[in-house]
Amino acid sequence: DTGVSQNPRHKITKRGQNVTFRCDPISEHNRLYWYRQTLGQGPEFLTYFQNEAQLEKSRLLSDRFSAERPKGSFSTLEIQRTEQGDSAMYLCATRGNMNTEAFFGQGTRLTVV
Amino acid sequence: AQSVAQPEDQVNVAEGNPLTVKCTYSVSGNPYLFWYVQYPNRGLQFLLKYITGDNLVKGSYGFEAEFNKSQTSFHLKKPSALVSDSALYFCAVRDTGGFKTIFGAGTRLFVKA
Repeated sequence: DTGVSQNPRHKITKRGQNVTFRCDPISEHNRLYWYRQTLGQGPEFLTYFQNEAQLEKSRLLSDRFSAERPKGSFSTLEIQRTEQGDSAMYLCATRGNMNTEAFFGQGTRLTVV
Repeated sequence: AQSVAQPEDQVNVAEGNPLTVKCTYSVSGNPYLFWYVQYPNRGLQFLLKYITGDNLVKGSYGFEAEFNKSQTSFHLKKPSALVSDSALYFCAVRDTGGFKTIFGAGTRLFVKA
């Protein structure tokens, strides 16, 4: 257990529904990342927060995706009007100023039916 | 732009034999390099990193990796493989001046008893 907590671990939703995932970082980690991982692939960068500021957003993140990190603590990733192509593992990773490596949560596996 | 290549989808090795998982990278500046391991339905677990200094770095569970600047490679090695090493291994790179870590597609290691 790295100390990065993600909820829920699994989510099954019907196409067109909205879903929200939560990531609780290791305390004092000011940098937070969201990645998406599909079967047989490596994690793909989605977005990055430094404290509460969202500093970069990948072109992979369509307008249906939004992420927030209020007060620079936990973060949420929301997907609106889900599509079958959104089915993937969504990973959160955090890093402190004294770390060069990121620490990953267990991930949230999303299945859109 | 940063990129990582893991040329082998799968590596098969007999228990007790040495193993090598290959990785090459491309980055505009100086690299931070990482290896992570992933077990089924789990997040990524940090194994080791290269920051600067000695080209041979040692990490968790007896793994080590060798940084070769001229060949832009960072191969993962272990002198004697265990069945429990069977998992998915990811190489990753980040420019020292940046914040985004990019991952390779992964190599599945299968250690046969």
